[in-house]
Amino acid sequence: DIQMTQSPASLSASPEEIVTITCQASQDIGNWLAWYQQKPGKSPQLLIYSATSLADGIPSRFSGSRSGTQYSLKISRLQVEDTGIYYCLQRYSNPLTFGSGTKLEIK
Amino acid sequence: QVTLKESGPGMLQPSQTLSLTCTFSGTSLSTSNMGLSWLRQPSGKGLEWLASIWNNDNYYNPSLRSRLTISKETSKNQVLLKFTSMEPADTATYYCSTSGWFAYWGQGTLVTVSS
Repeated sequence: DIQMTQSPASLSASPEEIVTITCQASQDIGNWLAWYQQKPGKSPQLLIYSATSLADGIPSRFSGSRSGTQYSLKISRLQVEDTGIYYCLQRYSNPLTFGSGTKLEIK
Repeated sequence: QVTLKESGPGMLQPSQTLSLTCTFSGTSLSTSNMGLSWLRQPSGKGLEWLASIWNNDNYYNPSLRSRLTISKETSKNQVLLKFTSMEPADTATYYCSTSGWFAYWGQGTLVTVSS
């Protein structure tokens, strides 16, 4: 199975700051990576797919990048509503696997 | 607008078989490249992909393959999941989602396994 090592496990930041969350894949997965946001009591929401493509209706403050087998989600100009848990997903091979999640708190 | 809704028993006893239904609208399983998947999330924990049905092929998480069966009723716009030999560790919120990038999700249904 492909392991997705996500970091940090949690972070706290102030509005208008920039934060970055990373996922390290245990092997090459190309651009078969997505990012999701999950708010308390809600279903996950797709933010980024194909490593860098913004999903429909997602603000441009969210962006994804790739460097080799390391993938990053950057959130610029943090807003209070960005609070939640963020997950990466690889769908390069079966079984599809998620990162362990990053809990983001807005101060 | 694609919408999905999961339904299930809510609670069941250990060793029983879980039957879940995902009813969807706004798309069709007859559409090329359209598929549905099941995932789950224990309370306070991460996400786990279980199974997908896509283009008449079924895909399963190998770690759970022996216990899972995914099927579809195209005319009813439903995808079903059967999960045998349920244990308390299988207690989770079960989600259905559109296959591929999981762009659309249902609200989830909580399944509790307890005697």
